[in-house]
Amino acid sequence: DTGVSQNPRHKITKRGQNVTFRCDPISEHNRLYWYRQTLGQGPEFLTYFQNEAQLEKSRLLSDRFSAERPKGSFSTLEIQRTEQGDSAMYLCASSLGLAPNQETQYFGPGTRLLVL
Amino acid sequence: AQSVTQLGSHVSVSEGALVLLRCNYSSSVPPYLFWYVQYPNQGLQLLLKYTSAATLVKGINGFEAEFKKSETSFHLTKPSAHMSDAAEYFCAVIVNQGGKLIFGQGTELSVKP
Repeated sequence: DTGVSQNPRHKITKRGQNVTFRCDPISEHNRLYWYRQTLGQGPEFLTYFQNEAQLEKSRLLSDRFSAERPKGSFSTLEIQRTEQGDSAMYLCASSLGLAPNQETQYFGPGTRLLVL
Repeated sequence: AQSVTQLGSHVSVSEGALVLLRCNYSSSVPPYLFWYVQYPNQGLQLLLKYTSAATLVKGINGFEAEFKKSETSFHLTKPSAHMSDAAEYFCAVIVNQGGKLIFGQGTELSVKP
């Protein structure tokens, strides 16, 4: 296993369209995180899963956003009715879900979304 | 609430010079801190992490960071900069519940020949 993978790497869409991103975590990792990074800023937490359960959602995750991890393996992040403000890099990370002092999150390469 | 602040959005050094990237944290509980590096159009790579085992933490690529509780700081240093160190660097703190990371705004490091 070579790490966390994300597809697509780039997505250009028109305002109002729906988009879906996929994240494949490291195989033995039971936690999966989604972050959003806008230009010149640090990543911001969106949501995370422990196995298939979505345990926390940020207030940044509006009703137009939905994330799933149906079998506790890969995850999808869907944005409905995209807006120009959704343009960002969407990062996925996975981890073993250990105690905080033992935990390390490994990041994928990200999906860069541009909404025209 | 836990947070980190990175002082200086851009740092420029000459090749071979000392690199110092600043990070201060705010936390009501013992913090666990991280430094990540991001190269253009790539994800984040872990440089090092502080987990309370030792205050001086050594990471990859010759980087190290020292946890100073009295100063609430976790600055990143490297004795001699290399051209390949040019990248964006992020300090982060892990939240105890759920393990999400709270990131600083990042510091872009430029290395001049």
